Amino acid sequence: RKEVEQDPGPFNVPEGATVAFNCTYSNSASQSFFWYRQDCRKEPKLLMSVYSSGNEDGRFTAQLNRASQYISLLIRDSKLSDSATYLCVVNGRGTGGYNKLIFGAGTRLAVHP
Amino acid sequence: EPEVTQTPSHQVTQMGQEVILRCVPISNHLYFYWYRQILGQKVEFLVSFYNNEISEKSEIFDDQFSVERPDGSNFTLKIRSTKLEDSAMYFCASSRIPGGQYFGPGTRLTVT
Repeated sequence: RKEVEQDPGPFNVPEGATVAFNCTYSNSASQSFFWYRQDCRKEPKLLMSVYSSGNEDGRFTAQLNRASQYISLLIRDSKLSDSATYLCVVNGRGTGGYNKLIFGAGTRLAVHP
Repeated sequence: EPEVTQTPSHQVTQMGQEVILRCVPISNHLYFYWYRQILGQKVEFLVSFYNNEISEKSEIFDDQFSVERPDGSNFTLKIRSTKLEDSAMYFCASSRIPGGQYFGPGTRLTVT
């Protein structure tokens, strides 16, 4: 089983749509969870951390279900500028602690006029 | 807003040559990382560095790789003898505490 699994998409949505991405992770000991966005040939940019209670940042809402090892991201009122690849990321347990990030392969979103 | 910077943006080298990729992490950050992304693939962890020593490394980070913090601002990744399969985008990242990390713009390494 992949450590972090995402639907690769692409999700093609019109401006103003609501879109949801899901992700599952295999290591139940993971402690921190994030969504990053990555534009083509650019670096990953931290979008938001994900907390057990769920959290919102403007049009973006992230949820975590530890029992199901499932993370989601909801984007409301999609903008053209939201077009990117969304990376589900968890921290991995290693000998040095929980320092390393484990990335999913990403879900591609294309927002069209 | 503080940023992680990386140089060069693109490095072309011949197989067997040594390369050094440079990074300047965000100034008050204590944890430093290198990741790589082969074209079309996911981002992969290479190494983490804290308190002047490696705290974690992946299987990819073999004896050909080394990291150094030569002064108070730079963080470098050295590949001693490059192989074709080392061609990738190399990202440096930093964080103030373990957790969300901030990535630099990357160095595209092309090995010919």
